[in-house]
Amino acid sequence: QVTLKESGPGILQPSQTLSLTCTFSGFSLSTYGMGVGWIRQPSGKGLEWLANIWWDDDKYYNPSLKNRLTISKDTSNNQAFLKITNVDTADTATYYCARIDLVPDYWGQGVMVTVSS
Amino acid sequence: DVVMTQTPVSLSVSLGGQVSISCRSSQSLVHNNGNTYLSWYLQKPGQSPQLLIYKVSNRFSGISDRFSGSGSGTDFTLKISRVEPDDLGVYYCGQGTQYPLTFGSGTKLEIK
Repeated sequence: QVTLKESGPGILQPSQTLSLTCTFSGFSLSTYGMGVGWIRQPSGKGLEWLANIWWDDDKYYNPSLKNRLTISKDTSNNQAFLKITNVDTADTATYYCARIDLVPDYWGQGVMVTVSS
Repeated sequence: DVVMTQTPVSLSVSLGGQVSISCRSSQSLVHNNGNTYLSWYLQKPGQSPQLLIYKVSNRFSGISDRFSGSGSGTDFTLKISRVEPDDLGVYYCGQGTQYPLTFGSGTKLEIK
């Protein structure tokens, strides 16, 4: 059974760095072709893809945020991470991680992040 | 970026009825490897998106055959037959052919 769960700070202030963790089970990021992606969704709005990391440590970022994003993984502990630097109120959203097997297939429940002073 | 345009924005259907949702991409979604990475997701109220269809017409594990996908190139359709109460929510198409991955803006399905 594939499961993913996101964790994060809940609330942070503008200009701070957002650190998110995705803890998963039921698959391994050392398996050929497997990946984990991060997608966010502001309340009441659509989905915005942020970044993917693959089994071979290849990484892809959304160019609209690329300079602010860093994705990484800890294969032995079945975790993936996303950092977003210099956050502002526009980064307030629910953040999802998803397994990527050709496409995002299994998604976590999401973690709400609020950026507020 | 590939722009995904979904229509309609919302629709209302009676239980047992059938609906179609359209998704058009600004560029062909045929990958260099010959596959077309067009997916459909349903986000039920208060839940995370769930994958229904991948590579245009392949139902994901456990998805009812009431859901079917079709299309090619830049024009795709999701059909839902024999609509049930549990089908309500927002449907999104998404493309994985080209980075950045992009999604449509969603179609809200309401039950009459």
